[in-house]
Amino acid sequence: DAGITQSPRHKVTETGTPVTLRCHQTENHRYMYWYRQDPGHGLRLIHYSYGVKDTDKGEVSDGYSVSRSKTEDFLLTLESATSSQTSVYFCAISEKGLANYGYTFGSGTRLTVV
Amino acid sequence: DAKTTQPNSMESNEEEPVHLPCNHSTISGTDYIHWYRQLPSQGPEYVIHGLTSNVNNRMASLAIAEDRKSSTLILHRATLRDAAVYYCILSSQGAQKLVFGQGTRLTINP
Repeated sequence: DAGITQSPRHKVTETGTPVTLRCHQTENHRYMYWYRQDPGHGLRLIHYSYGVKDTDKGEVSDGYSVSRSKTEDFLLTLESATSSQTSVYFCAISEKGLANYGYTFGSGTRLTVV
Repeated sequence: DAKTTQPNSMESNEEEPVHLPCNHSTISGTDYIHWYRQLPSQGPEYVIHGLTSNVNNRMASLAIAEDRKSSTLILHRATLRDAAVYYCILSSQGAQKLVFGQGTRLTINP
């Protein structure tokens, strides 16, 4: 999607290794989000950010950390990857939060932990 | 977050209108109704949202019941490209995150 880029698009990693996924936006939006999507569970929120250095946990934050040192980048880190973290990860951005504004989602990162 | 209920799946024919229902009987007065869709192998895509009045945009129309306990997403003339999972989501004033349910998987027959 224009304005939001996720990298890498695909990654295979070994159990126990650290992994960092990057979300980059060019829209200067304040809010950024990380979701994971698994069969049978739909989309679940991991962490989100409401400004530089301002982050909060979502419903499935265990095993994940995030950082936002500048407006355009939101990093998701798996400190020690486990097979249960095999998933498709989506980043989203929003201009002013949610209630009356929409989200724009990235194309996703497919992560496989072997 | 107030809960929404959608049918698991629906099927329609190409070039016909599609009405996707969503029940949200516990909606509060300040909750917005959002619709997103997710095409195969893509991220979710914003479709439309509203509060009380019906809304139209280039993609779809949103019809909101007078008591706001249900809403309907209307695709006026379905194409094969409209085959996707459609999510109906409520967001409360001041909320900072979207909570997705299971959605409705829409199949379009040629």
